[in-house]
Amino acid sequence: GESVGLHLPTLSVQEGDNSIINCAYSNSASDYFIWYKQESGKGPQFIIDIRSNMDKRQGQRVTVLLNKTVKHLSLQIAATQPGDSAVYFCAERERRTGYALNFGKGTSLLVTP
Amino acid sequence: EPEVTQTPSHQVTQMGQEVILRCVPISNHLYFYWYRQILGQKVEFLVSFYNNEISEKSEIFDDQFSVERPDGSNFTLKIRSTKLEDSAMYFCASSSGASGEQFFGPGTRLTVL
Repeated sequence: GESVGLHLPTLSVQEGDNSIINCAYSNSASDYFIWYKQESGKGPQFIIDIRSNMDKRQGQRVTVLLNKTVKHLSLQIAATQPGDSAVYFCAERERRTGYALNFGKGTSLLVTP
Repeated sequence: EPEVTQTPSHQVTQMGQEVILRCVPISNHLYFYWYRQILGQKVEFLVSFYNNEISEKSEIFDDQFSVERPDGSNFTLKIRSTKLEDSAMYFCASSSGASGEQFFGPGTRLTVL
């Protein structure tokens, strides 16, 4: 079936550097994408979303880029802080088939001082 | 800030026993969801619920599972006869609209012995 996956399982960055977390998806009909952050012992926390009619969206210190041609999604975190250490999941859905989110496997981001 | 709450935080049960996981969605939300996350794996959709009926369910959500909104504030997931492979973190989520941001609770860790 269709799948959502992440390129790298772990990413280690220095505090203050920029982080880029990547995600590949296979369902070309997906029209909504979300990045979630999950800290240890907590539920997924919404970071930023993007619809398929856009290729870039910016939030506070975060930017999501969507490349529909190659079915690739990325999350950029500027000036990474220790509090950014968590597992990051991309998720997608295809509105035509419903509103259930299809999650990727997750990338663990470790920010070192 | 309003949040989704779940009880208990950890439930241990014997194989074959029934369990009920409880959730209190955000008060003005109308759409409710259950997801699960087996240790080390991705978050998986189980079921969505709107207007007192199931709107979507995944292959995981078989006859052993049921959901209910017994009153105006609670949303429950029942597993009739638990199996070892039901051990996972179960997340409840809610949203104000069908396509809106889904807010996740902190999860209930279910351990089936």
